[in-house]
Amino acid sequence: DAKTTQPPSMDCAEGRAANLPCNHSTISGNEYVYWYRQIHSQGPQYIIHGLKNNETNEMASLIITEDRKSSTLILPHATLRDTAVYYCIVRASNAGNMLTFGGGTRLMVKP
Amino acid sequence: EAQVTQNPRYLITVTGKKLTVTCSQNMNHEYMSWYRQDPGLGLRQIYYSMNVEVTDKGDVPEGYKVSRKEKRNFPLILESPSPNQTSLYFCASSLWAGPGDTEAFFGQGTRLTVV
Repeated sequence: DAKTTQPPSMDCAEGRAANLPCNHSTISGNEYVYWYRQIHSQGPQYIIHGLKNNETNEMASLIITEDRKSSTLILPHATLRDTAVYYCIVRASNAGNMLTFGGGTRLMVKP
Repeated sequence: EAQVTQNPRYLITVTGKKLTVTCSQNMNHEYMSWYRQDPGLGLRQIYYSMNVEVTDKGDVPEGYKVSRKEKRNFPLILESPSPNQTSLYFCASSLWAGPGDTEAFFGQGTRLTVV
């Protein structure tokens, strides 16, 4: 799986959009970008994933650059409950189901 | 409600005393796995199972055993726990990955302390 690079921490004001970047410059054609988050030692929670096109669901939006070397997870209106560690994971669809978690970004949403 | 249930949530045990952490899912998922999470090392996969009676080692399998006799259950067994197995453990399940891929559901975690 391609290696990912995320900033270790970010702050965001409550009610504002949180934009979490992820670099995956060695991503290959069949690799998906996944985002999970972990709230204070709870089990990781799936957020969203995509291959090439931008994706949106009820939780977030995922913007993938045209060259696919980076992506941004957007939480449109961050709340205090969005404070968590966010993990960007890249893996091939035929690589089995193992998820390789890196260090993630610790997002702190402040009032 | 779709969920992965682990038990116990917290456990303190002594070195060498066999223990089992149970994991059960109600989503009829083929794939189940165990991870441990340690400060500075992130989440690492211990064992996984692609279906009943099919299991394989992950990245850190030493000191652990698993079994998959039923589709919904995937217990983690520590035959002779040691202090270096003190960790936060997560069970996860998902449909077996296909072209459309799939999300993983995680349990709430089991915090194990071996003294």
